[in-house]
Amino acid sequence: AQSVTQPDARVTVSEGASLQLRCKYSSSVTPYLFWYVQYPRQGLQLLLKYYSGDPVVQGVNGFEAEFSKSNSSFHLRKASVHWSDSAVYFCAVSIDNNRIFFGDGTQLVVKP
Amino acid sequence: EAGVTQSPRYAVLQEGQAVSFWCDPISGHDTLYWYQQPRDQGPQLLVYFRDEAVIDNSQLPSDRFSAVRPKGTNSTLKIQSAKQGDTATYLCASSFPGLGGHTNTGQLYFGEGSKLTVL
Repeated sequence: AQSVTQPDARVTVSEGASLQLRCKYSSSVTPYLFWYVQYPRQGLQLLLKYYSGDPVVQGVNGFEAEFSKSNSSFHLRKASVHWSDSAVYFCAVSIDNNRIFFGDGTQLVVKP
Repeated sequence: EAGVTQSPRYAVLQEGQAVSFWCDPISGHDTLYWYQQPRDQGPQLLVYFRDEAVIDNSQLPSDRFSAVRPKGTNSTLKIQSAKQGDTATYLCASSFPGLGGHTNTGQLYFGEGSKLTVL
């Protein structure tokens, strides 16, 4: 079985600061990994995904994530956050690209 | 293109009542998912379909929950005899086939959800 842990329920950063949201996964095989974002009153949207190859994947709006097999991690990063990045971010995992399992999310608050 | 549409957006029930949620996926998406998202938790997979067939319903509480997708397009999730523990947002998502059509691309397109409160 696969699972995802997002250890930080809430992260607060100042606008313009860098960001890292943590994600640890558990899987018997190298999984597919995803980051989704949920803006207020909107459905979840895909930010980026990792299948194989280069461990650093680029997503929309300047987000990137780095896969680490040794650490079983897939942390999300952004060099400079904007107030509009305030949202809930979900890390997700799948081993077959069909059943996708989500973590409990990290709420990002960007202070002006 | 139109996104995933869900209705109703909100429902408030007393324990023991029934409710149905409806989902219209993106046209051409063969796979449809229902997730349950309790407050302050991540989405938890209940059931998913490919066309009209149920592929995995192992997490669906079968005694009170049912889901159908009779023509491989729209889907209905029904809860009979609702309990307070069913209070959550019910999310519908759809996806289209990946290369070869055997698996999905992994990108899910979500609706805004149906928020259920059971008193």
